[in-house]
Amino acid sequence: EIVLTQSPATLSLSPGERATLSCRASQSVSSYLAWYQQKPGQAPRLLIYDASNRATGIPARFSGSGSGTDFTLTISTLEPGDFAVYYCQQRSTWPPITFGQGTRLEIK
Amino acid sequence: QVQLVESGGGVVQPGGSLRLSCAASGFTFSSYAMHWVRQAPGKGLEWVADISYDGRNTYYGDSVKGRFTISRDNSKNTVYLQMNSLRAEDTALYYCSRDLKDTTMGVGYFDLWGRGTLVTVSS
Repeated sequence: EIVLTQSPATLSLSPGERATLSCRASQSVSSYLAWYQQKPGQAPRLLIYDASNRATGIPARFSGSGSGTDFTLTISTLEPGDFAVYYCQQRSTWPPITFGQGTRLEIK
Repeated sequence: QVQLVESGGGVVQPGGSLRLSCAASGFTFSSYAMHWVRQAPGKGLEWVADISYDGRNTYYGDSVKGRFTISRDNSKNTVYLQMNSLRAEDTALYYCSRDLKDTTMGVGYFDLWGRGTLVTVSS
């Protein structure tokens, strides 16, 4: 099973700043990685798939990069609604599909 | 309206059974693979199972293999999760989700989610 490790566990930033979230895989997942945003009391929302493709309706301030074992989700200019928990997820070796443990993005 | 609505959650004793349902609407359900993903209280996401668009192929996570069964009825636009031999560690909010792509098994990403149904395993 591929283990995804996200860092940092918590990121404290202010609106208007740039956020950089990391996800590292225990073995190569090629580009088969997605990012999700989850707000309290809500279901997750797909942001990025195949490492760098934005899902339908996702603003351009969200971007993904990386391949192999190291991936990054960047939010270029934080808006108040961006503060949430973010998960990475791989589908390279399936089953199982696995998720990272999440990064909490909080307002500083 | 494109949506997924889960039902069937509740409180069950260890060793008991429960059947979850997920009703889909607003899209061609029979064209998409479907998944169940769960989230224990205050914890992260765990993929549980998926099923191909026609129901012929299924996959399971190791923690539920042999105890849970995913199925679907395309005539009713519904996917099911039969959960047997439930354990305390199965306590979670269970989400139904649609695969991103309308291909046989999908591509393993989830672009549409329900609001979830809560399963609590406790004596």
